[in-house]
Amino acid sequence: AQSVAQPEDQVNVAEGNPLTVKCTYSVSGNPYLFWYVQYPNRGLQFLLKYITGDNLVKGSYGFEAEFNKSQTSFHLKKPSALVSDSALYFCAVREGTGGGNKLTFGTGTQLKVEL
Amino acid sequence: DTAVSQTPKYLVTQMGNDKSIKCEQNLGHDTMYWYKQDSKKFLKIMFSYNNKELIINETVPNRFSPKSPDKAHLNLHINSLELGDSAVYFCASSQGLAGGLGQYFGPGTRLTVT
Repeated sequence: AQSVAQPEDQVNVAEGNPLTVKCTYSVSGNPYLFWYVQYPNRGLQFLLKYITGDNLVKGSYGFEAEFNKSQTSFHLKKPSALVSDSALYFCAVREGTGGGNKLTFGTGTQLKVEL
Repeated sequence: DTAVSQTPKYLVTQMGNDKSIKCEQNLGHDTMYWYKQDSKKFLKIMFSYNNKELIINETVPNRFSPKSPDKAHLNLHINSLELGDSAVYFCASSQGLAGGLGQYFGPGTRLTVT
């Protein structure tokens, strides 16, 4: 069975500071990993993905994530946070083969960026 | 143009009623999904269709019945609504089963059962 853990319910950061939102995963086989963002009263928006290749992936709005196979982690990062980044962030995983594209989502991390 | 659209956006109804939520995508994708997000924001897949064929059917009460008339549409019908069905329901779509390009989500339908 595949699973995702987002250990922090909320992350607070000052605008201009770097941010990290943590995610660890468990799958049998190679993982496909995703980050999504949800703004209030909106659907989820795709941010970035790791399928294969370079461990550092870049996505929308200046976000990036680093795949670490030994630590089974896929933390989301941004060098300089903006107030407009405040939202709910979801990490998701699926097995690389089979599974019918069944994504398992983490419980979400609320990011709050303050002036 | 909206890529994945859902109607209605809000749905308030009484226990025991039957209701439907509609979803349409204009991305040309061949796979569509229904997710349920509860009050704690936990997101869980309910169903997935690929080329109108059911491929994911999670542990969901059989009061929930998805229907896919074509690749661009996936509707969700709910019979005998219960208080616990109150949630936000999201439709999503993707191209193929590989999922390498991620899934695209609709804006959600907030269902309130009173």
